Amino acid sequence: QSVLTQPPSVSGAPGQRVTISCTGSSSNIGAGYDVHWYQQLPGTAPKLLIYGNTNRPSGVPGRFSGSKSGTSASLAITGLQAEDEADYYCQSYDSSLSGSIFGGGTKLTVL
Amino acid sequence: QVQLVESGGGVVQPGRSLRLSCAASGFTFRNYGMHWVRQAPGKGLEWVAVIWYDGSNKYYADSVKGRFTFSRDNSKNTLYLQMDSLRAEDTAVYYCVRDRQYPQSYFDYWGQGTLVTVSS
Repeated sequence: QSVLTQPPSVSGAPGQRVTISCTGSSSNIGAGYDVHWYQQLPGTAPKLLIYGNTNRPSGVPGRFSGSKSGTSASLAITGLQAEDEADYYCQSYDSSLSGSIFGGGTKLTVL
Repeated sequence: QVQLVESGGGVVQPGRSLRLSCAASGFTFRNYGMHWVRQAPGKGLEWVAVIWYDGSNKYYADSVKGRFTFSRDNSKNTLYLQMDSLRAEDTAVYYCVRDRQYPQSYFDYWGQGTLVTVSS
C-alpha cells in the first residue's frame, strides 16, 4: 500500500480533459514538500513530466499541468491524445520515512 | 547527452547476493546525488535508496535497510548497489536515476533498468 494515494485508473476520449489526483498526509504533501509527476509508457522507463508541483521540463507539452493544495496534488491533461495512454505516478518526500515516496500509479486509457 | 546504463541483473536464489552497477555519462557525475528506484513486475514504483554527490550520506527504504548497500566511485562515474540476503519480494526492474533538489528530490534522468529475479 502506497503512502500517496492515486486512483488505479482514469479514462477519457480524445480531446477531453482528465485529472489524476494524488493524496498524501501531514508528513509529506501536507508538510509542504513538492510533488512531482512521471509518465511511463508501456515497456519503457518512467519520464519526468512535472516537477516542483507545477513546472514542466523542456519538451513536455503544455497540455500537461500540475497543481497542489493542502495534502493533495493533481495532474491535468487537456486535449487528450492517443499517445497519452500510459501509467502516471506522483512522487514526493516523506519526513517520517526520511525518503522519497511514490503513489501507486494511475493507468490512463484513451477511449 | 545524459546516459545512465545499469548492469548486473539476473536470476539469483533467495538468500544470495548480487551487485548492480550504473555507468553515468554526459554530465558532471560528482556534482549529483543519485538514487535507485525499483519496479516489481506489473507493480508501481518504489524508491530504494539515495547517495549524496560525494558518497558521504546514504539513506535506504525500510524494505532494504540492512541488506542493501549503496556506493559510488566518482573517479569511474559509476554507482553500485550491493544486494545481500535477497528475497523473492526483491524481484524487480532496478533503475538508477539522477537527483535534483534533494531532499525534495525529483528524478530528471532514468536508466533503462536491469531486471533482478530472486527465485529458487
